[in-house]
Amino acid sequence: AQSVTQLDSHVSVSEGTPVLLRCNYSSSYSPSLFWYVQHPNKGLQLLLKYTSAATLVKGINGFEAEFKKSETSFHLTKPSAHMSDAAEYFCVVTGSGTYKYIFGTGTRLKVLA
Amino acid sequence: DSGVTQTPKHLITATGQRVTLRCSPRSGDLSVYWYQQSLDQGLQFLIQYYNGEERAKGNILERFSAQQFPDLHSELNLSSLELGDSALYFCASSSSGRLDTQYFGPGTRLTVL
Repeated sequence: AQSVTQLDSHVSVSEGTPVLLRCNYSSSYSPSLFWYVQHPNKGLQLLLKYTSAATLVKGINGFEAEFKKSETSFHLTKPSAHMSDAAEYFCVVTGSGTYKYIFGTGTRLKVLA
Repeated sequence: DSGVTQTPKHLITATGQRVTLRCSPRSGDLSVYWYQQSLDQGLQFLIQYYNGEERAKGNILERFSAQQFPDLHSELNLSSLELGDSALYFCASSSSGRLDTQYFGPGTRLTVL
């Protein structure tokens, strides 16, 4: 069975400093992994996805994530936070042969001026 | 804008009532997924349809049902509503329903009084 754990429910960073949102996964199969962002009162927007190609995945708005099989991790990073990055971020796993997304519990990112 | 539309945006109703939520997928997408987002349960997969047929089922209550019509729009029917059904209901669509990226609509916020 697949599962995903987001290690931090809240993260605060200052504007212009790096962002690190941590995600660990568990999967019986070679997983596909995603990061989605949800701004207040909005739907979910795809930031990036890993589907067994390059282990370093670049997404939109300067975000990237690295798939590390040995650590079963897929952490999301950004070199320099912007005020507009304040939102909730969800790590998602799905496995071979399954169609459903399994969401982490979310990490709320706060960006301080 | 993801291209997925959901109506209505907000719905307020009473316990015991029945409501229907509607979703129109992105043009060309054959798969529709329904998710429930609540404070205590997080984001949970409910059900998936592919080209009119049920493909996968998640944590969907028996009081809930869904269908996908020939024009590919989908409806989620919630009956005998309880206070605990208050949540944000998202629809997502993807092209084929295997490991494709899912694109999310803006959601319908259901409040049961």
